Amino acid sequence: GAVVSQHPSWVICKSGTSVKIECRSLDFQATTMFWYRQFPKQSLMLMATSNEGSKATYEQGVEKDKFLINHASLTLSTLTVTSAHPEDSSFYICSARGQGPHTEAFFGQGTRLTVV
Amino acid sequence: AQSVTQPDIHITVSEGASLELRCNYSYGATPYLFWYVQSPGQGLQLLLKYFSGDTLVQGIKGFEAEFKRSQSSFNLRKPSVHWSDAAEYFCAVGAAGTASKLTFGTGTRLQVTL
Repeated sequence: GAVVSQHPSWVICKSGTSVKIECRSLDFQATTMFWYRQFPKQSLMLMATSNEGSKATYEQGVEKDKFLINHASLTLSTLTVTSAHPEDSSFYICSARGQGPHTEAFFGQGTRLTVV
Repeated sequence: AQSVTQPDIHITVSEGASLELRCNYSYGATPYLFWYVQSPGQGLQLLLKYFSGDTLVQGIKGFEAEFKRSQSSFNLRKPSVHWSDAAEYFCAVGAAGTASKLTFGTGTRLQVTL
């Protein structure tokens, strides 16, 4: 399968600061990327869908000003957690797919964010 | 809207025993269905997927799953479990006819005793 890389794998930041997480498709062009969030011992919840060159579509209850998503190229999407608080501590996972709605997405390895 | 139910939160099996993890979905048309495995602190690894065709799907690591439309189920099976199979297993359905925007079940944690 295709390779999706997330960076960093883990990050610790101070409360009130912002942190950026990158999601890259290494061997294909990702027209669409998805960002999920996973709380400890819970399932993955879709946060937003981003299409290259356009604004992200956020799921209900996800603050778009809090979680800034940029998909400026066909191989890179970024999630920036702004003014992070301890309750933002979570596991964030991205996935990416090529063209067509019937194309499956491939997942990154995830980023563990801890806000202290 | 689509949904996925994994009724078993936690399952314990002995090494060498057979395994079946249950998954029921709710979706109006033929769904795209997936099983993923997640080890602690790790990302998701795709075990197998069903898009169409043969309803018995073979995956990696000796896993298989059977799509049963009449029961809205996609149960995961393995004839003989290994200690390294201990992990969290997630069933997922593709949302709104897509194979990429996924709705996940709550997961089943598998513990393997020696």
